[in-house]
Amino acid sequence: QSALTQPASVSGSPGQSITISCTGTSDDVGGYNHVSWYQQHPGKAPRLMIYDVSNRPSGVSDRFSGSKSGNTASLTISGLRSEDEADYYCSSYTVTTTVTFGGGTKLTVL
Amino acid sequence: QVQLKESDPGLVQPSQTLSLTCTVSGGSISSGDYYWTWIRQHPGKALEWIGYIFHSGTTYYNPSLKSRVTISVDTSNNQFSLKLTSATAADTAVYYCARDRGGYDWLDYWGQGTLVTVSS
Repeated sequence: QSALTQPASVSGSPGQSITISCTGTSDDVGGYNHVSWYQQHPGKAPRLMIYDVSNRPSGVSDRFSGSKSGNTASLTISGLRSEDEADYYCSSYTVTTTVTFGGGTKLTVL
Repeated sequence: QVQLKESDPGLVQPSQTLSLTCTVSGGSISSGDYYWTWIRQHPGKALEWIGYIFHSGTTYYNPSLKSRVTISVDTSNNQFSLKLTSATAADTAVYYCARDRGGYDWLDYWGQGTLVTVSS
């Protein structure tokens, strides 16, 4: 299974909005509404931020939102804060009943 | 509150079997529609899904690792385990266990992770 494609890095200033893309195929992102996003701070375990494309778990700020169009999913963070600086990973359920992750995106808050 | 904790094998000899156990507390591993998952992360690299198991014993594995991986569950001790045979330096990574709700890539609880180094 191939990894999903994410930009290596994105950046934004406090208060701004950024969007991270995650591109797959019709065998994963495009074929299922089972795309998740995880936030990982250095040395820490990942934290679920979005599941099933656009749903937020309890406790996750509504500044985080997800969407999907075709084979590409997106994570948008609005009102950027310094604590949002982290690595972000997308993942998707696949046609082979497995899960695949993206390569990760490093978010820098300027 | 569900908590997961990986065992700490530390150093594994090349060609040996890498073995890890995840102990689940705060909930029964046998209840609910949960798939118990192993993920790894090579130093400075992306997450890699290894596979998961349902409490019935049904397993699904990453095709790239399938020939070397076995995931098992011990419901009596509320644990699940990973065995990776013929370990090489390329298996050096932080290994995480996690809970997947429904088996659809909804990893809502994670262990803290444990670094496993394959080296002589």
